[in-house]
Amino acid sequence: GAGVSQSPSNKVTEKGKDVELRCDPISGHTALYWYRQSLGQGLEFLIYFQGNSAPDKSGLPSDRFSAERTGGSVSTLTIQRTQQEDSAVYLCASNQPGLDPSYTFGSGTRLTVV
Amino acid sequence: QKEVEQNSGPLSVPEGAIASLNCTYSDRGSQSFFWYRQYSGKSPELIMSIYSNGDKEDGRFTAQLNKASQYVSLLIRDSQPSDSATYLCAVNGGYQLIWGAGTKLIIKP
Repeated sequence: GAGVSQSPSNKVTEKGKDVELRCDPISGHTALYWYRQSLGQGLEFLIYFQGNSAPDKSGLPSDRFSAERTGGSVSTLTIQRTQQEDSAVYLCASNQPGLDPSYTFGSGTRLTVV
Repeated sequence: QKEVEQNSGPLSVPEGAIASLNCTYSDRGSQSFFWYRQYSGKSPELIMSIYSNGDKEDGRFTAQLNKASQYVSLLIRDSQPSDSATYLCAVNGGYQLIWGAGTKLIIKP
């Protein structure tokens, strides 16, 4: 696609429910990144996918968080048993590292846990 | 641990003046440097990239890189109220970018 697409743009969920956030990167971009940004805070790295390599999961804050990337394209970030502290904007970015190391971000998913 | 440091601000600048934003980084091996702008409630967008020592100009924006001193700066000339945003510095750290926490810039009319 022309840009990085994220859905939904907003998600309100009850504490304890599971949520899935989706990211569709720019066509041809082999690398995909998930970040979390709490209100007024910086970017918190969550997970990185590059091609068919094993993902770097070092930023996932707990085992309630998981992510997968199917066919080297679309990625889904899943948060199980959501907690209020999970409320944040979840940003996805992609790039083609061999050509341009800069990231292009999606518009984000604002998650609110009530 | 690779780090990127920015003054969190807010930095308040009168309209029409020059805004100067600074960033320091710890990894001497870094080769790629980026400035992103993030408006409130929006996602970061790339405004400047720089790879070589010296200055790079793009319209009202000038990025400056000094690898020996490990700092990169962004100058915004003729600042406009629409420049009010948080500016994020990012530096390549291996296979991914390392991000500063951002400087909030406020342009006062």
